[in-house]
Amino acid sequence: DTAVSQTPKYLVTQMGNDKSIKCEQNLGHDTMYWYKQDSKKFLKIMFSYNNKELIINETVPNRFSPKSPDKAHLNLHINSLELGDSAVYFCASTPPGRPGNEQFFGPGTRLTVL
Amino acid sequence: KQEVTQIPAALSVPEGENLVLNCSFTDSAIYNLQWFRQDPGKGLTSLLLIQSSQREQTSGRLNASLDKSSGRSTLYIAASQPGDSATYLCAVFQWGTGFQKLVFGTGTRLLVSP
Repeated sequence: DTAVSQTPKYLVTQMGNDKSIKCEQNLGHDTMYWYKQDSKKFLKIMFSYNNKELIINETVPNRFSPKSPDKAHLNLHINSLELGDSAVYFCASTPPGRPGNEQFFGPGTRLTVL
Repeated sequence: KQEVTQIPAALSVPEGENLVLNCSFTDSAIYNLQWFRQDPGKGLTSLLLIQSSQREQTSGRLNASLDKSSGRSTLYIAASQPGDSATYLCAVFQWGTGFQKLVFGTGTRLLVSP
């Protein structure tokens, strides 16, 4: 299936741990994003990568580090997890070409920090 | 700073009603506007994308309009069905030198009862 996929779907961990979330798209897109949806369901952009280069970092703590090994993958590594990091994290991608093309979202990763 | 607001926050209607969901944004310098649907515990599904030069888009029972000058968009759902129950999100796309991002609204939670 052509899609944006994320692993894992659920992640439960203790405060202070380091964890990673993986994202892959096989749509041939060259811009990928990470969004965070908080407990109030508000979605906010965290990072944007275009052809493996970071083009947005919306005041995200430096405990969060995106890693893009190639343009089909954008992983999110989180160090020293805190309770407030509990949220649903969504990966998305956009086709190449004009800005503002439709964004395609992954199914989300629900992170719970205990 | 772009702020996107959706009214109402929640809506409960009987099956068959025609609905209007509202979205307003504070900065009219947008490239396009996208309407999404999110089912509980799921990712986002794109419904309609309106370019800033367009006034409306239609897909089946859905019609979205855009008035960029007044900072408003509406999503019209005709003959609502229980399967339409979900949270509806609008998002405006902005881009400039070194950035491009989707700014999401606060969402409208819709419940259509049989």
